[in-house]
Formats: sequence, structure tokens, C-alpha cells
Amino acid sequence: AQSVAQPEDQVNVAEGNPLTVKCTYSVSGNPYLFWYVQYPNRGLQFLLKYITGDNLVKGSYGFEAEFNKSQTSFHLKKPSALVSDSALYFCAVRDFRGTDKLIFGTGTRLQVFP
Amino acid sequence: GAVVSQHPSRVICKSGTSVKIECRSLDFQATTMFWYRQFPKQSLMLMATSNEGSKATYEQGVEKDKFLINHASLTLSTLTVTSAHPEDSSFYICSARDEGPAYGYTFGSGTRLTVV
Repeated sequence: AQSVAQPEDQVNVAEGNPLTVKCTYSVSGNPYLFWYVQYPNRGLQFLLKYITGDNLVKGSYGFEAEFNKSQTSFHLKKPSALVSDSALYFCAVRDFRGTDKLIFGTGTRLQVFP
Repeated sequence: GAVVSQHPSRVICKSGTSVKIECRSLDFQATTMFWYRQFPKQSLMLMATSNEGSKATYEQGVEKDKFLINHASLTLSTLTVTSAHPEDSSFYICSARDEGPAYGYTFGSGTRLTVV
């Protein structure tokens, strides 16, 4: 079955420190992977995606993610966290069956402390 | 980049009335749009897939007659919550898939529906 797992409900990090938000996936075939961020009472903002090419993907606001096929992971990273990065982060994978919808993880709340 | 406009951002309606939410792709054509519902502190729950010119595909457990979806053009999909009840109060988010070179899924800013 196609699925995405975000094992951490919340990640806490001090401002200026590196951050990692974890994501693992299970799909048949080559995955299309996405990261989105959601601020309170807002829709989802696109951060980055992996479809093909380099395993290290660079995205918006200084975020990057590394596609690791052997570990079926797509962790989101940032070298230096900002307080303004505090938000809800979703990992998603395209479901090639049927309507090509996105399958979302449960979300990880990132809290960056000053 | 791709932009999806969703209106209204907030709506309060009385029980028994209907509410329409619009989702527009502003700078790309979207054959397929998606409607989600999000409960507090939870992930997105896909309600239905909206297909331009054809009937929507609803997820299991979603009432088709209550959540009417129309995708009349390549840039507009609407979700109508009919005979709304307080339990329909939620945050609704639409998404449009861009199948062009910049392949991806762009989300609207969401609609907070409160039924009183």
C-alpha cells in the first residue's frame, strides 16, 4: 500500500541550530515526493519536491531534502533554523493509482525557540 | 509560480443553508483539483477528486449529496456544502494539479466554515 510516515509529532530546535523533519515512504515504483508547510489557518505552501534527478533537492526558504531510495526516506533539513520556521510540516507522495492524488503524512509540528 | 485562489477565506452560515466555496487556478489549467477537509491539529483528509467536465470521485465515507463538487472549467472547481450542520464546521482546502513542466500540486489558502 502507498503510505507516508512522519514519525515525530513535534520537533523542537533552538534558533540557529540545524533542523531535520523526518519522512519515510512506501510506494510501488518511483516516488514523487513533496514537502509542504502550513501556518495557522492557512493552506499548504510548497517547499520542494523530488521527481527525478539529484537526490539532494533544494527548495524555498533555505530548506532542502535528501531522497534516499535504500532507506525510503525524504527528510527535510535546514542548516540554521529561524523562529519564523515554526509551523506544521507535511510530507506527501503521489499515489499513481487512480486519480494521482497526494498521500499525506500526519504532519510534524516544528517549534523553533529563540 | 503556480497560484490557486480559494474563496471565501471565512464563512459563517446558519444550519440548513448551503455554502459554496470556489477554487481557481490563476496561471495554469487544472484538469484535476482536489478537495480536502482538515480537523484541528490533524492532517488533511481527502474528500474528493474534481475532474474537469466529468463527475467528481468521492472518497469512501464522503456524502456525495452533501458535498457537491462542480468542475466546469479548467480553472474553476466549486464545493457546495448543502444543508449545512454544525458538524460540517471545519477547514476546507482545495488543491490543483499542474501537469505542465513545473509538475506539482498547488493549494488554496483554505476556507474556515462555521455553521451556527
